[in-house]
Amino acid sequence: EVQLVESGGGLVQPGGSLRLSCAASGFTFTNHWMTWVRQAPGKGLEWVANMHPDGGVKSYLDSVKGRFTISRDNAKNSLYLQMDSLRAEDTARYYCVREYHSTSGGHYGDSWGQGTLVTVSS
Amino acid sequence: EIVLTQSPATLSLSPGERATLSCRASQSVNNYLAWYQQKPGQAPRLLIYDASNRATGIPARFTGSGSGTDFTLTISSLEPEDFAVYYCHQRSMWPLPFGPGTKVDIK
Repeated sequence: EVQLVESGGGLVQPGGSLRLSCAASGFTFTNHWMTWVRQAPGKGLEWVANMHPDGGVKSYLDSVKGRFTISRDNAKNSLYLQMDSLRAEDTARYYCVREYHSTSGGHYGDSWGQGTLVTVSS
Repeated sequence: EIVLTQSPATLSLSPGERATLSCRASQSVNNYLAWYQQKPGQAPRLLIYDASNRATGIPARFTGSGSGTDFTLTISSLEPEDFAVYYCHQRSMWPLPFGPGTKVDIK
């Protein structure tokens, strides 16, 4: 059974930092792109960052570029999101998502963790 | 940047009725479109990928259709567990936005 378990969320002041972690199990981690998606309270979904299995390709939402860094440790089956210079608008639940690569070349989030809540407030 | 719009914002139906949800993209997404279902307090679940392929374990009452810029998710006969928010999502071009969602609630 695929499991994705996020941790590291919490309350942080504006300008502060947090590091989110995602522990993956039940599948071959090195076969999949991995992604962070966030959802502000009562709002819709927002794709934040994703990463190639070998770590060589990373992409970011414009509003987090230069502040957030996605990384992975394939030996530990873990995904991370380092979040610096946090703003109030970064307040959200952050989901760790495994991507499925379809035969046509599309990538889709086929397994999601339960998320970890990040609150940026003074 | 591709923008996704979904309609209607809310769909009020009774169990057993047919639900038709629309997603429109501001430019072609080459059929790299997915539909997700989210229930309160839960993570989203992938229903449909590549516009028309059901994900593993998704019941046959869920059907995705469309191409280019106009897509539809049809639920042929609503079950009680289908009342939720549905998001479309394009995977054609970064920054990969989701649509704003359609809430299907009980009439």
